[in-house]
Amino acid sequence: DTEVTQTPKHLVMGMTNKKSLKCEQHMGHRAMYWYKQKAKKPPELMFVYSYEKLSINESVPSRFSPECPNSSLLNLHLHALQPEDSALYLCASSQATSGRSENEQFFGPGTRLTVL
Amino acid sequence: DAKTTQPTSMDCAEGRAANLPCNHSTISGNEYVYWYRQIHSQGPQYIIHGLKNNETNEMASLIITEDRKSSTLILPHATLRDTAVYYCIVRVYFTLSGSARQLTFGSGTQLTVLP
Repeated sequence: DTEVTQTPKHLVMGMTNKKSLKCEQHMGHRAMYWYKQKAKKPPELMFVYSYEKLSINESVPSRFSPECPNSSLLNLHLHALQPEDSALYLCASSQATSGRSENEQFFGPGTRLTVL
Repeated sequence: DAKTTQPTSMDCAEGRAANLPCNHSTISGNEYVYWYRQIHSQGPQYIIHGLKNNETNEMASLIITEDRKSSTLILPHATLRDTAVYYCIVRVYFTLSGSARQLTFGSGTQLTVLP
């Protein structure tokens, strides 16, 4: 199984709502990532988890709250978002090994988020 | 990670080879060249990577110049399904501790395969 799944595929939420995005992989990867992609722009890194611990937060506003409950799951909790947060949210996973590593990242299909 | 420069867009006739260039003149000795592509509204997909030798897999070939300052991704027989944004990324391949290695995407090249 070389698949990263993301739910939901589409999400529409108001600025006062609380919602969560979910990402799952069963490849035994110990590194998981959240990226944000605005229309016609490249993906931008938001968070990195390594061995279930947050290792990188790219100065993301606190209205985005990541969580890694176990090695297969990654959540992104959303609260009080703004319309400019509307984007495609991509999850990815990879091996997390020391030394020399050429490991590729596997991406999910993304969640298309619209904030009204 | 080193920055990359790619043309904004390219066209290719179906069945012909697509050659996508990438400039990475500031690449370091401990950085690989990776290529990913993103078909419209899908997640990025890994294509190929290399350090200094040419590489080939079932999807594509990667040619890296001897000085490693540039590379070319070759899709030998482009099909309509190869229409996508192609990203060239350079990334370190060695760390001392067990850690994740994030990707820093540039603007990429929009490849359009024409019938």
